[in-house]
Amino acid sequence: EAGVTQFPSHSVIEKGQTVTLRCDPISGHDNLYWYRRVMGKEIKFLLHFVKESKQDESGMPNNRFLAERTGGTYSTLKVQPAELEDSGVYFCASSQSQGNTQYFGPGTRLTVL
Amino acid sequence: RKEVEQDPGPFNVPEGATVAFNCTYSNSASQSFFWYRQDCRKEPKLLMSVYSSGNEDGRFTAQLNRASQYISLLIRDSKLSDSATYLCVVNSPTSGTYKYIFGTGTRLKVLA
Repeated sequence: EAGVTQFPSHSVIEKGQTVTLRCDPISGHDNLYWYRRVMGKEIKFLLHFVKESKQDESGMPNNRFLAERTGGTYSTLKVQPAELEDSGVYFCASSQSQGNTQYFGPGTRLTVL
Repeated sequence: RKEVEQDPGPFNVPEGATVAFNCTYSNSASQSFFWYRQDCRKEPKLLMSVYSSGNEDGRFTAQLNRASQYISLLIRDSKLSDSATYLCVVNSPTSGTYKYIFGTGTRLKVLA
């Protein structure tokens, strides 16, 4: 069974540009989560989808971040415009139901110059 | 104060040693608890779930003390391949949803 996949693995952009990250969860997992790790800090929750609905987006840093999960399958996380402090590793995870074990994708390493 | 606190280490131990990691959490409503392992520049991978009764998986033993809000991980007979960062993760219900709260991780280096 395929695990969680993320694209791209790395992205280097300039401040002010736009970047879109993609996550494909494990097939059949209704719950999809986005997390971020900035350098020197712990991994932090960004938001949680149940199917196509945003269940909790309390961790989203500001309105430059937009997450979507149209159709309840894959999800995208767009950062527009990117700022230097957005640099970090963005992880996606999925689970069958809330409270179940979450399985993580390999992450997207974002560098904003 | 962080919701999940871990000693960042690093713990440098010789092969064959026994090493223990501890973690405390602040939200008494937390429902489930995990240890994840993260290798350098890789994603976190589930090592084991943690239960009050304690659970063991080979050389690894995890324990939860709800009264003290304390989680532990014991690794016996350390191998070079155990070198990694060990993340304490607490699944806390907030606003009707479960949210993973991570510790900063404890770095382990097993030395030959």
